Amino acid sequence: QKEVEQDPGPLSVPEGAIVSLNCTYSNSAFQYFMWYRQYSRKGPELLMYTYSSGNKEDGRFTAQVDKSSKYISLFIRDSQPSDSATYLCACYNFNKFYFGSGTKLNVKP
Amino acid sequence: GAVVSQHPSRVICKSGTSVKIECRSLDFQATTMFWYRQFPKQSLMLMATSNEGSKATYEQGVEKDKFLINHASLTLSTLTVTSAHPEDSSFYICSAGSRLAGNVFEQFFGPGTRLTVL
Repeated sequence: QKEVEQDPGPLSVPEGAIVSLNCTYSNSAFQYFMWYRQYSRKGPELLMYTYSSGNKEDGRFTAQVDKSSKYISLFIRDSQPSDSATYLCACYNFNKFYFGSGTKLNVKP
Repeated sequence: GAVVSQHPSRVICKSGTSVKIECRSLDFQATTMFWYRQFPKQSLMLMATSNEGSKATYEQGVEKDKFLINHASLTLSTLTVTSAHPEDSSFYICSAGSRLAGNVFEQFFGPGTRLTVL
């Protein structure tokens, strides 16, 4: 079983839609949870990180962690074509990151 | 965020040759750098963690004699793929680590190097 599972998509939505991206993980010891955005042929960039359970909001992005169900989510409100990218979730523990396979998102104008 | 560069961005080589990839943190000193490889539609797979001035820590299944990592300064780490073979063709990405808070690192990723071995 992979440490972090993520639906690869692709996910296609119209501009302005609310997007929900999700991951599950298997190791209950994970404490930090990240979301990265990766444009084609580029390295990933950190969008948000959260510690333990709860929500964190940054502009149009909300990260949510439910440690009881080992489930992490990223919500994007009012999605824009510029949000089209691959989104990677990651879990972190003891100086090591475990990445999901990424979900490719396409926001259509 | 911090800027990390990688060179070259793309390399095509013949089987049996060695290829060196450079990773530089341009505006901060990175005591820790990470090397990943990424296959199409798959997650980033950590290959090794390198700390400045010490030997890299390799992940299980990664051949340290094949993937030589050197982290000689706080701004430069290199990955050398020795005697490359077609199965080594992949997207190699480095990242430079900076502590966010407590024990967690923020990673600043380079743009990646696409290696194709013929």
